Order: sequence, then C-alpha cells, then structure tokens
Amino acid sequence: KNQVEQSPQSLIILEGKNCTLQCNYTVSPFSNLRWYKQDTGRGPVSLTIMTFSENTKSNGRYTATLDADTKQSSLHITASQLSDSASYICVVSDRGSTLGRLYFGRGTQLTVWP
Amino acid sequence: EADIYQTPRYLVIGTGKKITLECSQTMGHDKMYWYQQDPGMELHLIHYSYGVNSTEKGDLSSESTVSRIRTEHFPLTLESARPSHTSQYLCASSDKDGGAQSRETQYFGPGTRLLVL
Repeated sequence: KNQVEQSPQSLIILEGKNCTLQCNYTVSPFSNLRWYKQDTGRGPVSLTIMTFSENTKSNGRYTATLDADTKQSSLHITASQLSDSASYICVVSDRGSTLGRLYFGRGTQLTVWP
Repeated sequence: EADIYQTPRYLVIGTGKKITLECSQTMGHDKMYWYQQDPGMELHLIHYSYGVNSTEKGDLSSESTVSRIRTEHFPLTLESARPSHTSQYLCASSDKDGGAQSRETQYFGPGTRLLVL
C-alpha cells in the first residue's frame, strides 16, 4: 500500500534554532517528492521538489534531502523564524498514471516560539 | 505567488442547502483539482480535470459534483449539504515545471472552510 508517513507529528522550537522533519514513504514506482508549507487557514505552497536522481535541494533556509534507496526524506530548517510556524507536508508522486498520483503525508505542525 | 482564487473563504450554512464553491486560476493551467482536508489530516483528492469538458472522480468518495466549462474555472457543487461535509476544501491547478511531467507542481488556492450546521 502506497503511504507517506511523517514525523514528528508536532514540534516546538525556539526562534533561531534549527530543526529537521522526517518523511518515510512506500510509494512505488517513485516519480518525485515535494515538501509543502501550509500556513494556518491557507493552501499549501511548494518549497522543494526532488526527482529520483537528486539527493539534496535547497530553498533559502530550507534544505531537503532524499534517499531513494531507503525511501526517506528530510526537511532541515536553519535559523528558524516565527514565520516558519506552519504545517510541513511531504508529498510523493508515482509514475503509474498520466495524472501522476500524489500521496500526501499528514504533515508536521511546527511552532516557533520567540 | 500562485494566481488561483477560491470563494468564499468561509461558509456557514444549514443542512439541506445547495452550495457552490468557486475556484478560478489565471495561469492557463489545463489540470485542476479539488481536495478535502480535515484538521491534522492529509489532503484527499475528490475531483480532478485534465481540461475543458473533462472531469473525473478522485480517491475519496464525495457527494459533490464539478464542472469544467472554461479552462480557468472549476466550481464544486453540493446539492444538499450535510454536517458530514464540514471540512476545508482546497482547489489546485498544475502545469509542467520545465516541461517535464515528473516535475509537475500543483499550485493551491487559499481554501474554503465549510461548516454545515
């Protein structure tokens, strides 16, 4: 069964600290993996996208890694800011159809305290 | 910033009412989607469209219907709302990033929070 599991479910850190969010997936055949940021009451916004051959991708203070062998990804946030408080969703796409079926994780709810 | 819009942003209605959630995008994307998301849960695809006059049901069974008469517009309709329809509804559209389907990115609207009493 194709699934995307994220951990931790929630995380509280102090402003300025770093953190790492985890994503494990069983989706096959794999096409790509995205990390989205979803602010409360808003739609998700894409942070990074990685295909099978990419191991790491950065977007400002966000760095995503992908290990396609172990089917794991992480999102590292450096020098956190209050505006980083949001839900971070891992989304994996398969290659099984023209649509490119997306499998969503439940997200990690990150809270950054001053 | 994605040019995809949803109205209303919030809606409180009584059971049995007919409602239409609006979604429009100005990016010229062919593919559009509707997702349902409950708090703390993953997004579930309820409808999608490849283009004008194309509509398909998604993974999650839904009593809603959709139409795609124009490229930019993808409304979702509930003929008779029930409390079980209370949720957040997210509309999205997609285009190929760099021409490769493997890098296709979905752009989401701000969502409509629906409460059925």
